[in-house]
Amino acid sequence: SQTIHQWPATLVQPVGSPLSLECTVEGTSNPNLYWYRQAAGRGLQLLFYSVGIGQISSEVPQNLSASRPQDRQFILSSKKLLLSDSGFYLCAWSKGGGLQETQYFGPGTRLLVL
Amino acid sequence: GEDVEQSLFLSVREGDSSVINCTYTDSSSTYLYWYKQEPGAGLQLLTYIFSNMDMKQDQRLTVLLNKKDKHLSLRIADTQTGDSAIYFCAETRMDSSYKLIFGSGTRLLVRP
Repeated sequence: SQTIHQWPATLVQPVGSPLSLECTVEGTSNPNLYWYRQAAGRGLQLLFYSVGIGQISSEVPQNLSASRPQDRQFILSSKKLLLSDSGFYLCAWSKGGGLQETQYFGPGTRLLVL
Repeated sequence: GEDVEQSLFLSVREGDSSVINCTYTDSSSTYLYWYKQEPGAGLQLLTYIFSNMDMKQDQRLTVLLNKKDKHLSLRIADTQTGDSAIYFCAETRMDSSYKLIFGSGTRLLVRP
């Protein structure tokens, strides 16, 4: 069966510091991968998605970037965090190669920027 | 989530049925999903329905889709305290296949 991991679970960072959040998927090959952000009391906003190694699509202009160095690894980064980057970050995967595939979510990382 | 709308809060008594509603605006929606989020956790897929279906039932969960009115509902029978969570409606569209459009979520509180 497939599993998705995210770490760290919680992170407190000062403004201006760098960020690296990691997401890995097990039990599947060539998945589509996604990063979402959930602001407090809000729905989820898609930040990035990737259909393959090195292929990243950005949905909204922002202070963050994403990379996919390996097939089942997806990284969310920032060089300098802003207060507005605080939120709950969720990684998701879906089967690659097809449209309309169901997305499955990881446990999330809660980021607080002070 | 501005194209998918949900009421913010629902409170029911344990053992009663819960009905969570969702409206969407895009007629090209293909799949519609219900996800559950418990406090501090990620999203758990509960069920989904293809847009050419009217109803889907899975144990205590019943999904109804009124495509004419663009209205989706999730009914939870015999609601339990463990059902207390935030429930998100989401859709995918033909013109943006990779993107899930989420509502803001409905917080369900089950009173003992």
